[in-house]
Amino acid sequence: AQSVTQLGSHVSVSEGALVLLRCNYSSSVPPYLFWYVQYPNQGLQLLLKYTSAATLVKGINGFEAEFKKSETSFHLTKPSAHMSDAAEYFCAVSDNGGYNKLIFGAGTRLAVHP
Amino acid sequence: DTGVSQDPRHKITKRGQNVTFRCDPISEHNRLYWYRQTLGQGPEFLTYFQNEAQLEKSRLLSDRFSAERPKGSFSTLEIQRTEQGDSAMYLCASLAGSASTDTQYFGPGTRLTVL
Repeated sequence: AQSVTQLGSHVSVSEGALVLLRCNYSSSVPPYLFWYVQYPNQGLQLLLKYTSAATLVKGINGFEAEFKKSETSFHLTKPSAHMSDAAEYFCAVSDNGGYNKLIFGAGTRLAVHP
Repeated sequence: DTGVSQDPRHKITKRGQNVTFRCDPISEHNRLYWYRQTLGQGPEFLTYFQNEAQLEKSRLLSDRFSAERPKGSFSTLEIQRTEQGDSAMYLCASLAGSASTDTQYFGPGTRLTVL
């Protein structure tokens, strides 16, 4: 069975600092991985996705993630945090054998302080 | 492309009452998913439709839950005899393709509070 684990339920950074949100996956087949962002009382918006075309994936709002098979990781980074980045971030894996439903991690809440 | 819409956005009900939520997917998206998100957790899969056919249901979907997608367009999720444990955000997502890499587009969700 596929799964994802997000390390750290809360991350706090200063404005302008590096953002690093961790995601590790478990999968017996090549995974397809996604990062979504959720602002308060809103649905989920796709930040980026790994489709095996390239290990370094660039997304919206300056975010990027690197797929590392040896570490079974897909960590999300942004060089310089902005106040508007404060939100909840979810890592997900596509269930290849189950009609491609998404299996989500528990999420990481990012706080950005001045 | 107006995005996925859900109605209502908020629903407060008393325990034991029935509730129904509606999801309108992006036009021509033939695949539709329902997820449930409880406080502090990631979304969990509930059920999946391809056109009008309900092809997969999670164990989370007890007998009190039923979902439909008549004519393969909008979908409804009904909860009968609501319980306090049903309080959650109910999210709908749709996509057009069939590949594992295709993007699911999410609606804003319906937040259910059962008193």
